[in-house]
Amino acid sequence: SAVISQKPSRDICQRGTSLTIQCQVDSQVTMMFWYRQQPGQSLTLIATANQGSEATYESGFVIDKFPISRPNLTFSTLTVSNMSPEDSSIYLCSVRRAGTEAFFGQGTRLTVV
Amino acid sequence: AQTVTQSQPEMSVQEAETVTLSCTYDTSENNYYLFWYKQPPSRQMILVIRQEAYKQQNATENRFSVNFQKAAKSFSLKISDSQLGDTAMYFCAFGYTGANSKLTFGKGITLSVRP
Repeated sequence: SAVISQKPSRDICQRGTSLTIQCQVDSQVTMMFWYRQQPGQSLTLIATANQGSEATYESGFVIDKFPISRPNLTFSTLTVSNMSPEDSSIYLCSVRRAGTEAFFGQGTRLTVV
Repeated sequence: AQTVTQSQPEMSVQEAETVTLSCTYDTSENNYYLFWYKQPPSRQMILVIRQEAYKQQNATENRFSVNFQKAAKSFSLKISDSQLGDTAMYFCAFGYTGANSKLTFGKGITLSVRP
């Protein structure tokens, strides 16, 4: 298994500002995944973060809007930049172990006002 | 690219009854995993059950079992003896083998268990 600590658990932010979400894993992993879950919707992959290289973004997501850092094998951050109300979502980080199931952080509920 | 389809947006079941949640997927590969995740209002994603594609035997975890039909690319979840705590959103997910491979999720189904 994997224990993932994600923070903050929730935040209310003003439009135009930025929020950085942190994700800490209890042991080393190669890839970390960042998902967005819009209200009442499914999980959509934002990007995959590999230590030592630039993150790989899915279609519709760009680095300027969602910059990601991966300074070591147990930690990653996702920043939501220049926020608008449309960015109000749950953001989740995730890892997979040995190619089996994915483990998730507790999620960050972001509300932009 | 792989796709996962959950066509039922919501279902309701009486406590102690049995309910089946449907899922279909599409892939051209042979080695993959299928999962059912539960997401209660706490928003924590909880693994319910997983199935390796190379295994013919359907996975079972206590009250939860799957009907895996590889040729038909179907993966349904059966919940027996439904409990109030089963009320949640359920997601079907697909992932290739390999720790560096993402999961692809279906749209999810909201399950309500009635007392």
